[in-house]
Amino acid sequence: QQQVKQSPQSLIVQKGGISIINCAYENTAFDYFPWYQQFPGKGPALLIAIRPDVSEKKEGRFTISFNKSAKQFSLHIMDSQPGDSATYFCAARGGNNRKLIWGLGTSLAVNP
Amino acid sequence: NAGVTQTPKFQVLKTGQSMTLQCAQDMNHEYMSWYRQDPGMGLRLIHYSVGAGITDQGEVPNGYNVSRSTTEDFPLRLLSAAPSQTSVYFCASSYVGADGYTFGSGTRLTVV
Repeated sequence: QQQVKQSPQSLIVQKGGISIINCAYENTAFDYFPWYQQFPGKGPALLIAIRPDVSEKKEGRFTISFNKSAKQFSLHIMDSQPGDSATYFCAARGGNNRKLIWGLGTSLAVNP
Repeated sequence: NAGVTQTPKFQVLKTGQSMTLQCAQDMNHEYMSWYRQDPGMGLRLIHYSVGAGITDQGEVPNGYNVSRSTTEDFPLRLLSAAPSQTSVYFCASSYVGADGYTFGSGTRLTVV
C-alpha cells in the first residue's frame, strides 16, 4: 500500500516554463513534507520542505503548495532551466517515526 | 567535509557470493539508513539505525544484514547475493532531531 502517491511519472517542459509535480498522502499524522532532487549518478538531495501549518513555502524558483484538507502537496519550479533536469521525489513523515515515506519519483526533462 | 561516503561505487557479484557495502559519515549523525533504488520503485528502506548498537528493519530487509558498532560507520552485508538484489544502494544519515537526510552517492550493484 503506497502511502504517498506522486504524479506524473515523467514530465517534459520547455525552458522558461513552469514544472508542476503533485503528491497525495493518506496518513493524517504526517507533519513533514520534503522534496528531494536527484541528478544521474548522485544521491538525492533535500531541495525544499514544508510543514502543514503553512500553505506555501518558496525558495528561489522552487515553491511548495500544501493543501491539508485535500491531503495534497505540490512542487512548482518557475522559469524551469535545463539544469533542473533531474528526478524529483516527494516524501512524508509523521509523529515520532523518523522514517520517510517516499513517492515513486518524477523524471523531469527541461528542453533548451 | 566528506559528508556520507559509500564504497565501492560499482560492484559485480556472482550469485551466492557475499559482500559488504561500506557507508561512513563524518557529521556525527546518530541516524543512518540504507535504501535501494530500482526503476519505477522509488526508494525502499532496507535497514536503519538510531545510534551505535541499535539497528532495525525497514520495508525490504530480507537478504541483508547490518550492524552499527560506531557512530561513523553503517555497513550493509549481503550474505548470499541473488539477481533480485541488483540495484543501486544509497546510504543516508541525519541528526535524530533534524529533518533532512544527507545521502551518499550510491553503490551500483549487479548480481549475475
